[in-house]
Amino acid sequence: NAGVMQNPRHLVRRRGQEARLRCSPMKGHSHVYWYRQLPEEGLKFMVYLQKENIIDESGMPKERFSAEFPKEGPSILRIQQVVRGDSAAYFCASSPNAGTGGRTDTQYFGPGTRLTVL
Amino acid sequence: GQQLNQSPQSMFIQEGEDVSMNCTSSSIFNTWLWYKQDPGEGPVLLIALYKAGELTSNGRLTAQFGITRKDSFLNISASIPSDVGIYFCAGQIFKLVFGQGTRLTINP
Repeated sequence: NAGVMQNPRHLVRRRGQEARLRCSPMKGHSHVYWYRQLPEEGLKFMVYLQKENIIDESGMPKERFSAEFPKEGPSILRIQQVVRGDSAAYFCASSPNAGTGGRTDTQYFGPGTRLTVL
Repeated sequence: GQQLNQSPQSMFIQEGEDVSMNCTSSSIFNTWLWYKQDPGEGPVLLIALYKAGELTSNGRLTAQFGITRKDSFLNISASIPSDVGIYFCAGQIFKLVFGQGTRLTINP
């Protein structure tokens, strides 16, 4: 059973370009979470999606950032008009269920996409 | 917003020593998790705790879920070189809230 897949692993963009990050959850997982990690810091929650629905986007900047998880295909985190401050590692996690915490709510992480904005 | 306080921030130990780190929160969580992150990789789940007071082991790792549901600790016994990395605690209510991490360095 393959783990959470993310691509690309590394992405370099110039200021003003768009960045698209992809996440394929583990087989059987319908809940996807995106987190951002700045250097030397912990991970910060951005957005939680279930198939075709955004459930919680309280951690996502209001402008330039969007996320989707279509019925078919991977989840996409899209950053428009990137700025240097967007440089970070972006991690996706998935879980089979979602709730206030239980064995089937456990989140498993992908290897991340490291975004560098020049 | 919710925050977890994880300590210590870094540890420098000799191979074979035991390690202890902990996390505290101002909020209650229903699940506590401990992850390890190697450079350039994503967090890997070490131990998950689902009930207040629960004590769980995974090989040389032992973790406990505090009775107040606001804290957790992780112990590593007889450290070995491959234990080097950054350890994160996380509390879960739907999304995960992470601590700042404990960077473990081992001198052979």
